[in-house]
Amino acid sequence: AQTVTQSQPEMSVQEAETVTLSCTYDTSESNYYLFWYKQPPSRQMILVIRQEAYKQQNATENRFSVNFQKAAKSFSLKISDSQLGDTAMYFCAFMKPDLGTGFQKLVFGTGTRLLVSP
Amino acid sequence: DAGVIQSPRHEVTEMGQEVTLRCKPISGHDYLFWYRQTMMRGLELLIYFNNNVPIDDSGMPEDRFSAKMPNASFSTLKIQPSEPRDSAVYFCASSDRGQETQYFGPGTRLLVL
Repeated sequence: AQTVTQSQPEMSVQEAETVTLSCTYDTSESNYYLFWYKQPPSRQMILVIRQEAYKQQNATENRFSVNFQKAAKSFSLKISDSQLGDTAMYFCAFMKPDLGTGFQKLVFGTGTRLLVSP
Repeated sequence: DAGVIQSPRHEVTEMGQEVTLRCKPISGHDYLFWYRQTMMRGLELLIYFNNNVPIDDSGMPEDRFSAKMPNASFSTLKIQPSEPRDSAVYFCASSDRGQETQYFGPGTRLLVL
């Protein structure tokens, strides 16, 4: 079974600085997807970024980028120019698409609470 | 385009009462997922549907929980009778087979007294 580990329960950063959140996963699969979701105090789960395992290029979405190291099974999230609105819980998630059933089960890490201060 | 819609957003009920949570997936999505989030257990997948058919309900905690999807635009998660340990945030999510990305609704915060 796949597992996702987020070893940093909490992190703090000052506004405008850069912060990196860590995520490692365990799988024997070669084709899969990785995601970062953000959960602000409103509790809404918001997709931040996704990465296809077959792509060597790291995904980027504005101030958010990932460092995907497939051999090391590492998938870290870098937030540049941190803003107060980035304060949230961040979840790393793994998904192995099942070509037979089409089942797309997400396996979540335990989350990292990020606090951005002025 | 509207996202996943859930109702109610908040529900407070007393132990023993029936609770019904509702979800409207994104139009055109053929997968629907129900998750539960608690401090102790994090995010757990309860059940998922494909084309309105329940595929895997192994995450449903016990017989008090049931879920239905009578059509492509509506699903319910029912708890009867409810217990205090059912207090959690319940999320509905939907996806399209070709997309791989699951889009979550705003969640229903349930408190059972």
